[in-house]
Amino acid sequence: QSVLTQPPSASGTPGQRVTISCSGSSSNIGSNTVNWYQQLPGTAPKLLIYSNDQRPSGVPDRFSGSKSGTSASLAISGLQSEDEADYYCAAWDDSLNGWVFGGGTKLTVL
Amino acid sequence: QVQLQESGPGLVKPSETLSLTCTVSGGSFSSYFWSWIRQPPGKGLEWIGYIYYSGSTKYNPSLKSRVTMSVDTSKNQFSLKLSSVTAADTAVYYCARETKYCSSTSCATHFDYWGQGTLVTVSS
Repeated sequence: QSVLTQPPSASGTPGQRVTISCSGSSSNIGSNTVNWYQQLPGTAPKLLIYSNDQRPSGVPDRFSGSKSGTSASLAISGLQSEDEADYYCAAWDDSLNGWVFGGGTKLTVL
Repeated sequence: QVQLQESGPGLVKPSETLSLTCTVSGGSFSSYFWSWIRQPPGKGLEWIGYIYYSGSTKYNPSLKSRVTMSVDTSKNQFSLKLSSVTAADTAVYYCARETKYCSSTSCATHFDYWGQGTLVTVSS
């Protein structure tokens, strides 16, 4: 049981916009920033979004992040087949005094 | 380009100690937090803990009694020891660098570089 809650799966067709939610509490998302990681099959996670809405260099602007209260969202617009991957949210938890992750969302491009 | 590489045995017997090392190349080792994160087969990510280049540590409370991390700045390496392992410790183990980002109002951190991961199986 993960501290942060994500839907286990999401799907969309090419060109569509999809969103993935991440729900937490006052001790993690409510008081700290959220990061998102993309894990392509068989590879290590890769930083996708940091500090709620910042994109690292090289990440397409099709990916965007937002946070409100104790929840966060990752949006992917103009969905492409190469976006098929697992997506994880993460935040520091002040009560646990450590990093916590969501359970991951498997995105399927139909 | 910063690169991280995990190394260590891929098979550990139950009740023994898992030992892994992460070697960092292509960038500064100082002034960063260095983490270990694991992923059981088919499951999600779990943060194990971090070590600062100076040697200070912070561990996941759920693993704290079994985890020891150390650092060797002369070799740009940091290490993980997990004692009394069971089959539940079977996972891909990743090392990662934690980087700080400061906006106009606050600072926060994120994992910006990861190793490729190494599978450790606990079995007799």
